[in-house]
Amino acid sequence: EAGVAQSPRYKIIEKRQSVAFWCNPISGHATLYWYQQILGQGPKLLIQFQNNGVVDDSQLPKDRFSAERLKGVDSTLKIQPAKLEDSAVYLCASSPSGSTLSEQYFGPGTRLTVT
Amino acid sequence: GESVGLHLPTLSVQEGDNSIINCAYSNSASDYFIWYKQESGKGPQFIIDIRSNMDKRQGQRVTVLLNKTVKHLSLQIAATQPGDSAVYFCAENNAGNMLTFGGGTRLMVKP
Repeated sequence: EAGVAQSPRYKIIEKRQSVAFWCNPISGHATLYWYQQILGQGPKLLIQFQNNGVVDDSQLPKDRFSAERLKGVDSTLKIQPAKLEDSAVYLCASSPSGSTLSEQYFGPGTRLTVT
Repeated sequence: GESVGLHLPTLSVQEGDNSIINCAYSNSASDYFIWYKQESGKGPQFIIDIRSNMDKRQGQRVTVLLNKTVKHLSLQIAATQPGDSAVYFCAENNAGNMLTFGGGTRLMVKP
């Protein structure tokens, strides 16, 4: 079974530029999560989707971050404009519908460096 | 791959020894806890979980202990191997279907 795919793996941009990350979850997984992991810290949930609907986005900085999952499969996370403090690894995870929290499968992440 | 974290607490053990990684959680209402392993350049990987109605749970070479009185969680790894070298995170479920991760500990295994 293929895992969660993310691209790009690395991205370097200047502050005030825009950037987008892409996630392809495990086939059939209804729930999709985006996490931000700052160097030296644990992952922090940004947004959770159930199919194409948002379940929780309370920790998403909505003035500059946006995410969508239009067809309930792939998802994109966008930052516009980026700030230096956005430098982090952005992790995508997915889980089957009705699963427990232990069944979250993480992708390898996209490492963003903002200069 | 890139490092997960450069300033994490580090535990260094000899190959074959037992490892104990500790975690303090913040919310006494948390009812479910998970330990994750994260290798450099990869996402977190599930190791073992425990519900708040349990004090101990064992897996293959790993044991999780939960002390709700002092809000403390530990992960014990028996006969630590070089492949166990990674950053370990505890995570708690304290609201709906969301996880809150702790700060992580780097485990280094010396051959």
